[in-house]
Amino acid sequence: RKEVEQDPGPFNVPEGATVAFNCTYSNSASQSFFWYRQDCRKEPKLLMSVYSSGNEDGRFTAQLNRASQYISLLIRDSKLSDSATYLCVVIGLQRDDKIIFGKGTRLHILP
Amino acid sequence: SAVISQKPSRDICQRGTSLTIQCQVDSQVTMMFWYRQQPGQSLTLIATANQGSEATYESGFVIDKFPISRPNLTFSTLTVSNMSPEDSSIYLCSVIDTDLTEAFFGQGTRLTVV
Repeated sequence: RKEVEQDPGPFNVPEGATVAFNCTYSNSASQSFFWYRQDCRKEPKLLMSVYSSGNEDGRFTAQLNRASQYISLLIRDSKLSDSATYLCVVIGLQRDDKIIFGKGTRLHILP
Repeated sequence: SAVISQKPSRDICQRGTSLTIQCQVDSQVTMMFWYRQQPGQSLTLIATANQGSEATYESGFVIDKFPISRPNLTFSTLTVSNMSPEDSSIYLCSVIDTDLTEAFFGQGTRLTVV
């Protein structure tokens, strides 16, 4: 099983719709979870952290399910500017901690 | 937070030559990483740059091809050695803050080998 798995998409979604992505991770000892956004030819930028209690930032909601080892991202009322690749990121808490990226989910918002 | 300056931002190199990429952080960080992102792909971890000791390489990456230096807690270099067109990619350095609350990235180095 890969360390972090995501559906690569692309998700083609009409503007204004709601879209959700999931990401599964294999290491139950993983400590920190994030969604990053990467625009074409740019470096990844933090979108939001993901907590067990769930967190919301405007149109974006992230959830963590430790029992099932997955995280999710929900985007409501999608905008054209939401078109990007969304990367699921997991950081461990072991001596050899490293940042593990999912392969990303491509999202295209259609006018 | 951490601000990372990565140089060069892009280069076009002849096959068989080597390129050294620099990454400077504006604060001391324990954990620094080097990634490669090939066209249309996600980020692949090359190695963890360890201060004062040899880097820890991921499967498929070796020190002879990608030597890494980390002389202190704010600076690291990655060299892409004996380049071939297959090495054409974006190379990114990244750091994690002490609390593991965020990962920060350099702007990336877009390498083209001809």
